[in-house]
Amino acid sequence: GAGVSQTPSNKVTEKGKYVELRCDPISGHTALYWYRQSLGQGPEFLIYFQGTGAADDSGLPNDRFFAVRPEGSVSTLKIQRTERGDSAVYLCASSLIGSGAQETQYFGPGTRLLVL
Amino acid sequence: AQKITQTQPGMFVQEKEAVTLDCTYDTSDPSYGLFWYKQPSSGEMIFLIYQGSYDQQNATEGRYSLNFQKARKSANLVISASQLGDSAMYFCAMREDNTGNQFYFGTGTSLTVIP
Repeated sequence: GAGVSQTPSNKVTEKGKYVELRCDPISGHTALYWYRQSLGQGPEFLIYFQGTGAADDSGLPNDRFFAVRPEGSVSTLKIQRTERGDSAVYLCASSLIGSGAQETQYFGPGTRLLVL
Repeated sequence: AQKITQTQPGMFVQEKEAVTLDCTYDTSDPSYGLFWYKQPSSGEMIFLIYQGSYDQQNATEGRYSLNFQKARKSANLVISASQLGDSAMYFCAMREDNTGNQFYFGTGTSLTVIP
């Protein structure tokens, strides 16, 4: 399909382990965003990429969280030393150029992370 | 202060009736965009409708319309002729032109359409 895809759809891990979540944006979209959605809440911003660079990482909760987008397309969100509080749905979104209040973000189906 | 406030945790509507989902926002940026997304139980966020801060007319997309009252800082979503498939969570979001690229989301409203 032509939408944003995310893998895996579900991830169960143990406390202290390392996880990687992958996002494949819509082809041609230069802007990519990661959000985290806890149960009963709206999505919360984590990080924004413009091309290969992280233009805004102000939403990352701590240094256990890191994201890359080495070729300006696929992005990987990396969580080290996972904690139970990291359990949430991680949503990825992309938009065409990333500037302007009018630009719509298109979301993927999310990765449901459960830390035991 | 919350950027986006949705005060209705849950709403019920009879099939074929219209329903209004409330959203108020807080910003000092003169240029901003307001968005509504639908999130069914499958989890994907589906874009519904957009309203720009400088738009003179209320946005409409099929059965969705946005009641934009700029002075009151409200951007309520109106769904006409509700269908059973409209049952889902609905999120209001805002993006400010001059303070970054992220979306600010509300806590959402759960809509249930009753047959």
